[in-house]
Amino acid sequence: SAVISQKPSRDICQRGTSLTIQCQVDSQVTMMFWYRQQPGQSLTLIATANQGSEATYESGFVIDKFPISRPNLTFSTLTVSNMSPEDSSIYLCSVEGDRVGTYGYTFGSGTRLTVV
Amino acid sequence: AQRVTQPEKLLSVFKGAPVELKCNYSYSGSPELFWYVQYSRQRLQLLLRHISRESIKGFTADLNKGETSFHLKKPFAQEEDSAMYYCALLLRGGKLIFGQGTELSVKP
Repeated sequence: SAVISQKPSRDICQRGTSLTIQCQVDSQVTMMFWYRQQPGQSLTLIATANQGSEATYESGFVIDKFPISRPNLTFSTLTVSNMSPEDSSIYLCSVEGDRVGTYGYTFGSGTRLTVV
Repeated sequence: AQRVTQPEKLLSVFKGAPVELKCNYSYSGSPELFWYVQYSRQRLQLLLRHISRESIKGFTADLNKGETSFHLKKPFAQEEDSAMYYCALLLRGGKLIFGQGTELSVKP
């Protein structure tokens, strides 16, 4: 099954700055997904990142605010730009694939971002 | 519109009692549904998926298309089952829509 390493695990940032979150997978995957979990809320998909093409963003999320890179089949980054306190959330990456022989999606451990 | 609803934010039961975490969905196509669990200080992990009809850690979930439900059940709750549980619906392109989550607390 895929193993995801996500970093940083947490950060406290000043408003107006940017933070880049990295997601490394131990196997090649076609699609990688970035989710946001705001305090007390459920997970919401930000965008889908395919290697070799631009990321596809969900309604309410734009590339200028959340630029994504996908340089190869095992790595992706999400940048939270020009941060405000409203961006304080947990950000998670996800890939398809779980236990061998099953079908599901694996999640990273998340990045807990606090904007002050 | 596609939607997943978990009506209970918190469910508290005693050890050994049966537990049922409710999940209802709204989807015009043929649904693929999952239950994810997040234990304290651990990452979100897949518990089970309806397509495999499996039982993991004693939990089962049956898809009821008539009632558009996918409730998670366990006949005898254990303290180690205390966690956050999320029901999720898979859409085309790999997008998952999550319910709001239910916190299960199993008391000794």
